[in-house]
Amino acid sequence: AQSVSQHNHHVILSEAASLELGCNYSYGGTVNLFWYVQYPGQHLQLLLKYFSGDPLVKGIKGFEAEFIKSKFSFNLRKPSVQWSDTAEYFCAVNLLYGGSQGNLIFGKGTKLSVKP
Amino acid sequence: GAVVSQHPSWVICKSGTSVKIECRSLDFQATTMFWYRQFPKQSLMLMATSNEGSKATYEQGVEKDKFLINHASLTLSTLTVTSAHPEDSSFYICSAGLPGGAVQETQYFGPGTRLLVL
Repeated sequence: AQSVSQHNHHVILSEAASLELGCNYSYGGTVNLFWYVQYPGQHLQLLLKYFSGDPLVKGIKGFEAEFIKSKFSFNLRKPSVQWSDTAEYFCAVNLLYGGSQGNLIFGKGTKLSVKP
Repeated sequence: GAVVSQHPSWVICKSGTSVKIECRSLDFQATTMFWYRQFPKQSLMLMATSNEGSKATYEQGVEKDKFLINHASLTLSTLTVTSAHPEDSSFYICSAGLPGGAVQETQYFGPGTRLLVL
């Protein structure tokens, strides 16, 4: 079965540190890729997405992610984190079958705690 | 724009009772809404896809008679957990897609409803 793996359950960083959260998926076909963020007490929000084109995508709040097809990966990065980035981050994959879109498959999430 | 609300935000009920959760798109019309379930430290699991004016499409393993979904209008979908049991305790999240575009591209999430069945 198709799955999405997020390797880190909980990441703790100091402010200004660089961030990279891993995401891998298991599906050999065409995919759309997403990162969602859930701040404490808030709902899921779209951080960035990849459909096609430049594999390096930029999202809100200085986040970016790179799609590496050969590695089935879509890692999330930020050069310098802030305390306000403390949240849970979910990677999600949308599998495309013959041009139609399947449903979103989510990873288990990575909790990021940034120490001031 | 593109705000999705859920009501109630949390509910506690006795075993055997039914609980209805509402999902509303506040400032747009959603032809498709999705219902997810999230267990602690687990990923969101899609339960069903709700299409306005038609029957919901349930994911494998999700009991249709247990989780009744109604999408009677373009701004409201409801999930009713019938004869709830403690194992149904979970966090239920809905999302809605904007019409006119790829559903997954424009999917917006509600804040979730925490259900505790005693």
